Amino acid sequence: DTEVTQTPKHLVMGMTNKKSLKCEQHMGHRAMYWYKQKAKKPPELMFVYSYEKLSINESVPSRFSPECPNSSLLNLHLHALQPEDSALYLCASSQSSRRTEQFFGPGTRLTVL
Amino acid sequence: DQQVKQNSPSLSVQEGRISILNCDYTNSMFDYFLWYKKYPAEGPTFLISISSIKDKNEDGRFTVFLNKSAKHLSLHIVPSQPGDSAVYFCAAGSSSNTGKLIFGQGTTLQVKP
Repeated sequence: DTEVTQTPKHLVMGMTNKKSLKCEQHMGHRAMYWYKQKAKKPPELMFVYSYEKLSINESVPSRFSPECPNSSLLNLHLHALQPEDSALYLCASSQSSRRTEQFFGPGTRLTVL
Repeated sequence: DQQVKQNSPSLSVQEGRISILNCDYTNSMFDYFLWYKKYPAEGPTFLISISSIKDKNEDGRFTVFLNKSAKHLSLHIVPSQPGDSAVYFCAAGSSSNTGKLIFGQGTTLQVKP
């Protein structure tokens, strides 16, 4: 199984809503990542989890809250988002965080109204 | 400061011919490089990688060349097929900054039948 799955595929939320994005992998990877991608731009790293511990936070606003319940799951909790947070949110995983290929999920298309 | 640059936003190639996508980087600490392909509304798909200790890596129709002195890498696709039409991102990482990939802006490849 070489797949990273993400749910939901699409999400529309208001600025006062609380929602969560979910990511799952069953490849035994010990590093997981959240990226944000705006239209016609490259993916931008948000968070890195290594062995279920947060190892990198790229100065992401606190309205984005990551969580890694176990080595296969990664969540991104969203609260009080702004319209400019609308983007494609990508999850990725890799065998470890050291020099290995990252495999991406299909993404969640988020629209904040 | 763009540490990874893809200076050609687009490239058009005839089916069966060679596609050459280029990428330049500025940070000498980068010691591994990857190429990803992305279709609209999907996550990036890993294609091929290369470590800084090599100057060439080949996988089927895809070959990546690395010129460390010029801080330049290229992806060759031979022969090009219409299904290769997508956005191609190069990415760079450093073993000393584990997990963080820096992506170029992407090159849109169109392969004409």
